[in-house]
Amino acid sequence: NAGVMQNPRHLVRRRGQEARLRCSPMKGHSHVYWYRQLPEEGLKFMVYLQKENIIDESGMPKERFSAEFPKEGPSILRIQQVVRGDSAAYFCASSPPSVSNSPLHFGNGTRLTVT
Amino acid sequence: GNSVTQMEGPVTLSEEAFLTINCTYTATGYPSLFWYVQYPGEGLQLLLKATKADDKGSNKGFEATYRKETTSFHLEKGSVQVSDSAVYFCALSDGRRGGSNYKLTFGKGTLLTVNP
Repeated sequence: NAGVMQNPRHLVRRRGQEARLRCSPMKGHSHVYWYRQLPEEGLKFMVYLQKENIIDESGMPKERFSAEFPKEGPSILRIQQVVRGDSAAYFCASSPPSVSNSPLHFGNGTRLTVT
Repeated sequence: GNSVTQMEGPVTLSEEAFLTINCTYTATGYPSLFWYVQYPGEGLQLLLKATKADDKGSNKGFEATYRKETTSFHLEKGSVQVSDSAVYFCALSDGRRGGSNYKLTFGKGTLLTVNP
């Protein structure tokens, strides 16, 4: 029973390049969430998606960041023109369709390093 | 807004010692409270949770009690093991009426190292 799968585990990009982070939710889960963990900080909510819909993007930076969860395939967090401040661990979580009282199940994260 | 304040680490203990990691919070409404654990190189795993005042969450020998009067949710374990070495995060959900259970507010984390 696979958990939340994220890839790649580690990603290195030079300033100005694009970063694409992938997340496959647990089987039976249709809700996906992205969180970011900056060095020595707690995780911070970025965005909540259901299939083909962005439900809440209140934590997303206004520029360069986007997220999608297509009908088929994994959820993608895309960061354009990366800067050093984007270096962080990005965690994806998922939950079943009934959100209330369902804990979030987190993946192992993608550690992005911008050089 | 909501916030979580955790005891600063790192915390270093010997095996079989008693563990307390303090966590206090500020929140509107009636949030649920959580402890997550992050082992080296891994994602966060839910350790325990409590959904209302005076509830006690417990798992793997860890316990935490939801204290509304002191706005606290301290994590305790009577006898730690080397395998408990990890980062521990206290978190809470949005407790407002109609609030979002998925938008968790996390503390900064406490690194625990247990030596044999």
